[in-house]
Amino acid sequence: KAGVTQTPRYLIKTRGQQVTLSCSPISGHRSVSWYQQTPGQGLQFLFEYFSETQRNKGNFPGRFSGRQFSNSRSEMNVSTLELGDSALYLCASSLGDVGNTIYFGEGSWLTVV
Amino acid sequence: GQQLNQSPQSMFIQEGEDVSMNCTSSSIFNTWLWYKQDPGEGPVLLIALYKAGELTSNGRLTAQFGITRKDSFLNISASIPSDVGIYFCAGGDSGGSNYKLTFGKGTLLTVNP
Repeated sequence: KAGVTQTPRYLIKTRGQQVTLSCSPISGHRSVSWYQQTPGQGLQFLFEYFSETQRNKGNFPGRFSGRQFSNSRSEMNVSTLELGDSALYLCASSLGDVGNTIYFGEGSWLTVV
Repeated sequence: GQQLNQSPQSMFIQEGEDVSMNCTSSSIFNTWLWYKQDPGEGPVLLIALYKAGELTSNGRLTAQFGITRKDSFLNISASIPSDVGIYFCAGGDSGGSNYKLTFGKGTLLTVNP
């Protein structure tokens, strides 16, 4: 059974640009959530999508957005990139019901220069 | 917001030794999860706990969901070099239909062969 797949694995962007990251969940999983990981702040929850609807949201500015497609695949977008956005962005999927286990992908490393 | 205090921050042990790490919170969680992350990879689920007082083992790993629902611990017995990595605890907040994880800052484990 294929795991959570994230693309691209590595990317470098310039301050002010925007970026789109993609996540394909485990087959059958309907919930996709996104996390930002930095050395200083650790793992922080961005948002969760279930059945194409944002179901929960963390405390990030509006520059961070996401969406989910009918096949459960998800994208997250960061606009007007700042140096502090450099991080490992992790996608996780689950069946979506309360208490279901959450599985992570390998992440997308974003460097903003 | 909810915060988890994970300790210790780092551990340096000899191969064969037992290891214990824990997480505490000021808030109640409905689930406790323990993940291990290797460099450049996403977190991999080790143990999931769904009920207060639950004690669960996975090979040499044992974890418990505290009775108060505000804490959890992870024990690793007879450590081996491949146990090296960062261990994260995560509390699951399943209020309503939402599901998001709050992570501890991690425990960096180094095992000396």
